[in-house]
Amino acid sequence: GENVEQHPSTLSVQEGDSAVIKCTYSDSASNYFPWYKQELGKRPQLIIDIRSNVGEKKDQRIAVTLNKTAKHFSLHITETQPEDSAVYFCAAKGVSGTYKYIFGTGTRLKVLA
Amino acid sequence: EAGVAQSPRYKIIEKRQSVAFWCNPISGHATLYWYQQILGQGPKLLIQFQNNGVVDDSQLPKDRFSAERLKGVDSTLKIQPAKLEDSAVYLCASSFGDGTGELFFGEGSRLTVL
Repeated sequence: GENVEQHPSTLSVQEGDSAVIKCTYSDSASNYFPWYKQELGKRPQLIIDIRSNVGEKKDQRIAVTLNKTAKHFSLHITETQPEDSAVYFCAAKGVSGTYKYIFGTGTRLKVLA
Repeated sequence: EAGVAQSPRYKIIEKRQSVAFWCNPISGHATLYWYQQILGQGPKLLIQFQNNGVVDDSQLPKDRFSAERLKGVDSTLKIQPAKLEDSAVYLCASSFGDGTGELFFGEGSRLTVL
């Protein structure tokens, strides 16, 4: 079945450094790739997304890259801050409502002050 | 705009008891999802509705889980009888239209089965 693998499961970086989280998906029909941030005890919230017709998208300190040929996409956070500490989930979804979101297993990011 | 509302936030029950969770999606969102999030894992889809019809329930353990969205607005997820492995956060999410847009999650209902 469809699967999304996410690495690493935990990541610790010093404040100001960059963090990279990688995901690989199995369903070639996937064309929408969101990233969610979930702080402890709170709901997941969308932080950035990318569709298959672009290779990269950036929003201030956050960027996402997509390689459809290799079926992988990555989240890049630059100049990390303590408030970036959270669990990050990637997801992949197909073109219509009948395709379900498949989530990765999550990456716990710790930004050390 | 108001977000996705869920209740109760927390529930503790003993195994073999029953429990129900309620979700009210964002107004106008036709697609509603129930996810199960076990500690340390990503959300796993249990059931997806579009309006009051089921789009996908392939991962719903139908011998003990049921869900309905009778009027195409709010939804109820029921577990009967509960097992220890059902301990998780049950997240409701909604999206506009046919589900191709952004998912908006509720705060979740944390279930502990003793």
